[in-house]
Amino acid sequence: EMVMTQSPTTLSVSPGERATLSCRASRSVSSNLAWYQQKPGQAPRLLIYGASTRATGIPARFSGSGSGTEFTLTISSLQSEDFAVYYCQEYNAWPPRYTFGQGTKLEIK
Amino acid sequence: EVQLLESGGGLVQPGGSLRLSCAASGFTFSSYAMTWVRQAPGKGLEWVSAISGSGGSTYYADSVKGRFTISRDTSKNTVYLQMNSLRAGDTAVYYCAKVARPTHVLDYWGQGTLVTVSS
Repeated sequence: EMVMTQSPTTLSVSPGERATLSCRASRSVSSNLAWYQQKPGQAPRLLIYGASTRATGIPARFSGSGSGTEFTLTISSLQSEDFAVYYCQEYNAWPPRYTFGQGTKLEIK
Repeated sequence: EVQLLESGGGLVQPGGSLRLSCAASGFTFSSYAMTWVRQAPGKGLEWVSAISGSGGSTYYADSVKGRFTISRDTSKNTVYLQMNSLRAGDTAVYYCAKVARPTHVLDYWGQGTLVTVSS
């Protein structure tokens, strides 16, 4: 069973500063790793796929890196609208067995 | 513009049934697999089920296998989730999502529909 572990659980950062979120897979997922942002009362929104490719309309301040089992989401200069919960997700080839991390809450310091 | 609109959620007693619908627009529905993901109150995301573009292949998480059935109607651009033998642990917001090609990432999500299983 694939397990995705995110750290930290909560991250407190001031607006304008950089935020770094981590995700670890229990076994290699190659680059089949996505990041989603979820704000209260809203559906998740795709930010990054292929570990490092920004989805359509996602600002350049969001970047992803990593491969295999270790991944990072970096937000270079936090804006007020970036404070949310972030989930990583592994997506293997079809058939699907999507596994999500438990989430990292990014809060205003 | 891709839009996904879920409906059918509500309050149901343990052991009961409910059918969720997800109406899709803005893309060629039959060309894309679709999936359901749920989120229990205050918890994270859990993949539930998926269906191929043709509807010929379906997939389920172990937690719902044998109780939930996913299907799709191309004439109505709608995907369904029939949920039987519901348990308190099935209480969640249920989201439908479009599966991107060729990556299989979930690129568009609906706003969700709340299912509450309680007596």
